[in-house]
Amino acid sequence: AQTVTQSQPEMSVQEAETVTLSCTYDTSESDYYLFWYKQPPSRQMILVIRQEAYKQQNATENRFSVNFQKAAKSFSLKISDSQLGDAAMYFCGGTSYGKLTFGQGTILTVHP
Amino acid sequence: DTGVSQDPRHKITKRGQNVTFRCDPISEHNRLYWYRQTLGQGPEFLTYFQNEAQLEKSRLLSDRFSAERPKGSFSTLEIQRTEQGDSAMYLCASSSPGRSNTIYFGEGSWLTVV
Repeated sequence: AQTVTQSQPEMSVQEAETVTLSCTYDTSESDYYLFWYKQPPSRQMILVIRQEAYKQQNATENRFSVNFQKAAKSFSLKISDSQLGDAAMYFCGGTSYGKLTFGQGTILTVHP
Repeated sequence: DTGVSQDPRHKITKRGQNVTFRCDPISEHNRLYWYRQTLGQGPEFLTYFQNEAQLEKSRLLSDRFSAERPKGSFSTLEIQRTEQGDSAMYLCASSSPGRSNTIYFGEGSWLTVV
C-alpha cells in the first residue's frame, strides 16, 4: 500500500470485551497484502493477521479477525475476549511485492 | 528456523562516529528489509534487497547510510558520521517468495547517539 492511516492513536478495552482498531489504506495496485502487527513493550514486531486482497473472505486467527472492505479501502482488526497480554501498539501495514508501509499505530490498553 | 537475528541489540555512540548493524534473515528468505523506528512512531522503510540486489532505497537513506547484502544472506547497515537525529531503533525484516509475502521482523537494534 502506498499510504496507510490509523486514525485512533489510543484505544482501551476491558478484559474479556471486544475492541476494533481501524485502518484505511490507499494503493494503485490490484494485488496486495494487508497485515496487522503487534509491538509490545519488548519492541519486537509480531505478526497478528494477514489478508490477501484477492480473497473476499475475512481472515481470522483465533480471537483476532479482520473486516476487509476492499471498495472502501478499509481494514479493521477486531480483538475478541481481550486479554491483558493483548496490550501493545498495533500497526496496520500493506504491501504489494516490495516494501511494507505502516500506519502510525494504535496503542491498545487492556483494563483488568 | 531461528528467526531474524540482529546485532548488536543496543549501541551507544558519540556523535560523529560510525556504526554498523548486522542482520541475519530467516534462512532461505530472499528478501531483506531495513526500517527505522522512533518512539511512538510506526516503522519507516529505509531499503530492501532481493538476494544481493538492493532494489529500493528511501529518500530517508541519506549519503551517510549504506546497506549491503554481499552474498544474499546477511546484511549490514552502516551509518557514517552519526548525528543525534539518527537515534532510533533499526529494524531488520525478511520474507520469502510466494504469495504469502509475510514479512518477519527481528528484535531491532537500538542506537543512541550522544
